[in-house]
Amino acid sequence: DVKVTQSSRYLVKRTGEKVFLECVQDMDHENMFWYRQDPGLGLRLIYFSYDVKMKEKGDIPEGYSVSREKKERFSLILESASTNQTSMYLCASTSGEGRAKNIQYFGAGTRLSVL
Amino acid sequence: GQNIDQPTEMTATEGAIVQINCTYQTSGFNGLFWYQQHAGEAPTFLSYNVLDGLEEKGRFSSFLSRSKGYSYLLLKELQMKDSASYLCAVRDATGSNYQLIWGAGTKLIIKP
Repeated sequence: DVKVTQSSRYLVKRTGEKVFLECVQDMDHENMFWYRQDPGLGLRLIYFSYDVKMKEKGDIPEGYSVSREKKERFSLILESASTNQTSMYLCASTSGEGRAKNIQYFGAGTRLSVL
Repeated sequence: GQNIDQPTEMTATEGAIVQINCTYQTSGFNGLFWYQQHAGEAPTFLSYNVLDGLEEKGRFSSFLSRSKGYSYLLLKELQMKDSASYLCAVRDATGSNYQLIWGAGTKLIIKP
């Protein structure tokens, strides 16, 4: 069964802290994504990675960075958390094979509050 | 610009049928997805359309008209557990092969 695991369901951090959100998938997928989800808005892509050590900016990369040192793990880093980064963060992965391509499998999400 | 529109909220009765519409404007088109998301949970894949027509999967069906930039998700024999948000997403062929453009989601409330 497909599994995408995010390390925390809830996080509370203070303004200016460095925050790490971790995501692990066990499907040997090449592509991994970080989104944020806010009420009334669609999922917005922050960064994605199509291979180890490779990354591309999504629609809203400002204030975030990512790391993909191993195929199964994709980390999102908030260099200096701000209150406008309070949100639900969702990690997803997808393979590149056949029709399964682009079926994104999601983790349960991390609800981050920045005070 | 790129845009996906779907109603914010819909209400339906248990046992009934509901249709959730999605219209899109994208630079290119290479497939449309529907996902279900229960409150506080991860989105889960429901359906994928790349050609015009209806795809049926049990109680759920999804329709696509590429010429109209339009899709709908049809849910039959509604159950209380169908209360969730339904997300429409389009793969824009002009962008990365793996990126999706997402609608804001339709919150479906099922009443007894």
